[in-house]
Order: sequence, then C-alpha cells, then structure tokens
Amino acid sequence: GAVVSQHPSWVICKSGTSVKIECRSLDFQATTMFWYRQFPKQSLMLMATSNEGSKATYEQGVEKDKFLINHASLTLSTLTVTSAHPEDSSFYICSAEPKTSGGFKNIQYFGAGTRLSVL
Amino acid sequence: QKEVEQDPGPLSVPEGAIVSLNCTYSNSAFQYFMWYRQYSRKGPELLMYTYSSGNKEDGRFTAQVDKSSKYISLFIRDSQPSDSATYLCAMTQGGSYIPTFGRGTSLIVHP
Repeated sequence: GAVVSQHPSWVICKSGTSVKIECRSLDFQATTMFWYRQFPKQSLMLMATSNEGSKATYEQGVEKDKFLINHASLTLSTLTVTSAHPEDSSFYICSAEPKTSGGFKNIQYFGAGTRLSVL
Repeated sequence: QKEVEQDPGPLSVPEGAIVSLNCTYSNSAFQYFMWYRQYSRKGPELLMYTYSSGNKEDGRFTAQVDKSSKYISLFIRDSQPSDSATYLCAMTQGGSYIPTFGRGTSLIVHP
C-alpha cells in the first residue's frame, strides 16, 4: 500500500515552454501533497504544500506564478513549471500524506521523481 | 544552526558490516522520527518511523531515538551492496507540522 505515482519520470523541453508534472496517490486519499525540488547531492527543498480544494502554500523564495500547483482531488496534484528556463532544470519530487483518523501522523510517501531538463 | 544535522558522507563499508547512520536535532518539540532511503534518481522510500524515545527493529534495520540527547540513529546489520543509497532522516512535531529532513548520508557498501 501507500503508493504514489509521479509522471513523467523524465522530461526534456525547450526554454519558454511549460511542463506539467502529475502526482497521484494510488491506494489512499491524501489530505496534503507536497512538492520538493532536489539538486544533486543535496537534500529535499520543500517548494509548496497543497491541500485538496484550496490554494497551495508556497515556501519563501518560490515563485507562485512560475510553479503552478493544482490539487483538484484527494488523489491528484499537479505542478506546472511555466515558461521554463535552464535554471529550472532539476529533480522534482512529490509526496502525499495519507488522510488518517488516528495513529502515526505526518508520514509522507514519495513519488519516484521527475527529472526536468530545459534546453 | 540547522534544525536537523546529518553528515552527508559518503560512508563506505564492506559487505556484511554493521552500519550506523545518525542525525542530531535542536528542536525539543520533535516527537515523530522517520528514516527514508533514496536510490539515485528515485524518490525517497520510507524505511522506519518511531515515536518518542526507544528502539524499533524491522529485519536488518533498527531505529533508535534518544530524545534527551536529541540524537537518532539507524543501524543496518549485515549490510549488502543493495543497501547503497542515500539515507535521510526526518522528524516532526506532529499535528499540522511538516517534517524537517536532514540532508542525507550517502552509504556505499562494497562487495
């Protein structure tokens, strides 16, 4: 259980185009989904937190208009990198926190990540 | 000082060795502790989670929490080359708090 599917796993695009990344929780409902960015040999950098049906909360320094997040349902969140530029090239990872009525909280289950290369 | 400190390594050990991975933290409000394993170019995979102080064992893995010292450890017994990965610790106060991640320790188990 607790599988998070992230698609695509790798995308190459031209500078100026937009790229959409999907994150789905396959076997559970996610109260909250998270989007991270990770540079080589670095830890996860939280970009934004999204709750179903409400606007995402962005971390300081993350451009809202650049990284559009939509959390349309309890199992799907999308990240759109708008007008991508080479400096946006990175590894983007989503995670989902199960909707739970008790027990251990704050566990995040991660997708496999998306490698974005902007030419 | 970062809230969670983790030595990035790399830590290189021979196959069969006992591995000790550690994190220290400064926020005494942290109550939930997790260890994730991340293979190269993949998303992190949850290995262990514990609440408060004590030990938790799962197969070759043992997670240990010492809240008085603000120190957590992950032990891997009989390490295998397939254990070669980056191990990230994470911790949270619970409730609506988002976990704070360490930067990860790169582990290399050589045959």
